[in-house]
Amino acid sequence: AQRVTQPEKLLSVFKGAPVELKCNYSYSGSPELFWYVQYSRQRLQLLLRHISRESIKGFTADLNKGETSFHLKKPFAQEEDSAMYYCALSGRASGTYKYIFGTGTRLKVLA
Amino acid sequence: EAQVTQNPRYLITVTGKKLTVTCSQNMNHEYMSWYRQDPGLGLRQIYYSMNVEVTDKGDVPEGYKVSRKEKRNFPLILESPSPNQTSLYFCASSLLNPGLAGLTYEQYFGPGTRLTVT
Repeated sequence: AQRVTQPEKLLSVFKGAPVELKCNYSYSGSPELFWYVQYSRQRLQLLLRHISRESIKGFTADLNKGETSFHLKKPFAQEEDSAMYYCALSGRASGTYKYIFGTGTRLKVLA
Repeated sequence: EAQVTQNPRYLITVTGKKLTVTCSQNMNHEYMSWYRQDPGLGLRQIYYSMNVEVTDKGDVPEGYKVSRKEKRNFPLILESPSPNQTSLYFCASSLLNPGLAGLTYEQYFGPGTRLTVT
């Protein structure tokens, strides 16, 4: 079954501390992986996608096909990083073209 | 300005009264999708459309209908709303990736529609 798992509902870190938001996926094929961010009272927006290998706002994510993981990392958290983060995958399987999101992790960066 | 718009933004209705939430995009995207966002459950896909007249069920399609008569519009229809459909709804669109590995490029989201069914 296709699934995206984000094990942490809430992650609290102090400003300047490293951040790692975990994402594991289950998919029979080669999906495309994304991280989306939702700031308070705003719409979701793309943070980064694995295929572009970019670093956005200091965040990076490496696709580990062996562990089927796509963890999001940032070396030094900032208060403005506080938001809801969603991992998502896109792919074709069994004739369907679904887009699957994880349940999200709320990141709180404390001063 | 490239955007996805939804209307209405807020809606309170009663059980059984048919309603439609509109979604429109001006980016000529092939793929459009509806999601509902509920606390603790994240975003769950309701329906999606690959192009005009091509729609398919997502993970939670029960109680919803969609249509794609024009490329830019993808309305969500609740024929007989029930209280368990109280939620925050997002429409999104994206280009299709013709490559084999993935399906779509990034999704662009609308501002959301908060629906309350009493």
